[in-house]
Amino acid sequence: EPEVTQTPSHQVTQMGQEVILRCVPISNHLYFYWYRQILGQKVEFLVSFYNNEISEKSEIFDDQFSVERPDGSNFTLKIRSTKLEDSAMYFCASRQDGGIYEQYFGPGTRLTVT
Amino acid sequence: GESVGLHLPTLSVQEGDNSIINCAYSNSASDYFIWYKQESGKGPQFIIDIRSNMDKRQGQRVTVLLNKTVKHLSLQIAATQPGDSAVYFCAENRVGYQKVTFGTGTKLQVIP
Repeated sequence: EPEVTQTPSHQVTQMGQEVILRCVPISNHLYFYWYRQILGQKVEFLVSFYNNEISEKSEIFDDQFSVERPDGSNFTLKIRSTKLEDSAMYFCASRQDGGIYEQYFGPGTRLTVT
Repeated sequence: GESVGLHLPTLSVQEGDNSIINCAYSNSASDYFIWYKQESGKGPQFIIDIRSNMDKRQGQRVTVLLNKTVKHLSLQIAATQPGDSAVYFCAENRVGYQKVTFGTGTKLQVIP
């Protein structure tokens, strides 16, 4: 069964450093998403991406964040200057055209900012 | 502001019994309500959804009930199995928006 993959599984970085989290969505999917989950808290929407542009973003997704689909398979989330409060699990998701809730999530990348 | 929240943080159920996980929401403009299951070390997995114009929907061993009068959503799992042990999230979405708003999770523990 096709699945969303994410790398790395765990990223440790120092405050102020740039990080890039990588995702490979399911191949025939058209919509891509990033969510985050701070330990013990809700899953929070960050951004959605369709047709090579951001279609929606939350208030969390400020100028420190950016997304890119550099080729036909990868989808990345970049945090330019990490802060301690960026420590969280970051989930990538994708879906086909159709039911918006049928998003397929990857296993997540745990980001630890020290 | 909008919020989707759960009543109980942990639910323990005997294997074979039915489980009921509850959720309250505050955004009356929501069009869809969704239940996700999150197993340890994995991302959320879609279970079932219900449109706001419905009050009940059944899937395989799962039933979602929606009571718009009291803004309450529940997930019923029949004959709970050890593999059902996970954290369950309710979530909501509005047509025309990509954002899915998640509630706080309920941990379901199945006792063998």
